[in-house]
Amino acid sequence: QQQVKQSPQSLIVQKGGISIINCAYENTAFDYFPWYQQFPGKGPALLIAIRPDVSEKKEGRFTISFNKSAKQFSLHIMDSQPGDSATYFCAASKRNAGNMLTFGGGTRLMVKP
Amino acid sequence: NAGVTQTPKFRVLKTGQSMTLLCAQDMNHEYMYWYRQDPGMGLRLIHYSVGEGTTAKGEVPDGYNVSRLKKQNFLLGLESAAPSQTSVYFCASHPARGKLFFGSGTQLSVL
Repeated sequence: QQQVKQSPQSLIVQKGGISIINCAYENTAFDYFPWYQQFPGKGPALLIAIRPDVSEKKEGRFTISFNKSAKQFSLHIMDSQPGDSATYFCAASKRNAGNMLTFGGGTRLMVKP
Repeated sequence: NAGVTQTPKFRVLKTGQSMTLLCAQDMNHEYMYWYRQDPGMGLRLIHYSVGEGTTAKGEVPDGYNVSRLKKQNFLLGLESAAPSQTSVYFCASHPARGKLFFGSGTQLSVL
């Protein structure tokens, strides 16, 4: 049973466009929702994270939108650049579970110049 | 500043062979994890450790063993490798309250 479902599996966006990746979770005990970015041959790296007490968090061109009632959250990449081409993972963890994360299946993003 | 270092980076095994993957972190982190990454399935937790001398099972522990004899090292062992264990393995660590740092991965093929 996949507790965090991520879509789409792959995404192609033109340079300057908006990339949107969606995740849905089932466990209402989750209270920390990070996004990780992974370049080929590298380990994932934390990109941005949100807690459920806010509906949106923005860091530069990256924004997380969070909908607690729908149990969904999404990553928006504004003005997408070829350098953003990577695999993106959403994740979730429970309160008092440290950083024991449950990951979504990943989205491979390609930004065309 | 090395961070999280995994060795080896690549390995090919025959079915039934054994091997150990080494993870070393130089950040004095308490928590360490082993994940496997498979296409379309994200990262799945194999085993983890909350401190030196402690280990616990994650989501997919079968066929793997781990040890944390020293705080800076977390070893993942495969006693009898199977083709289903072909994957990319990632080690990660974090301090008591802090973000997760990943190593660069070990690509393992079991023939």
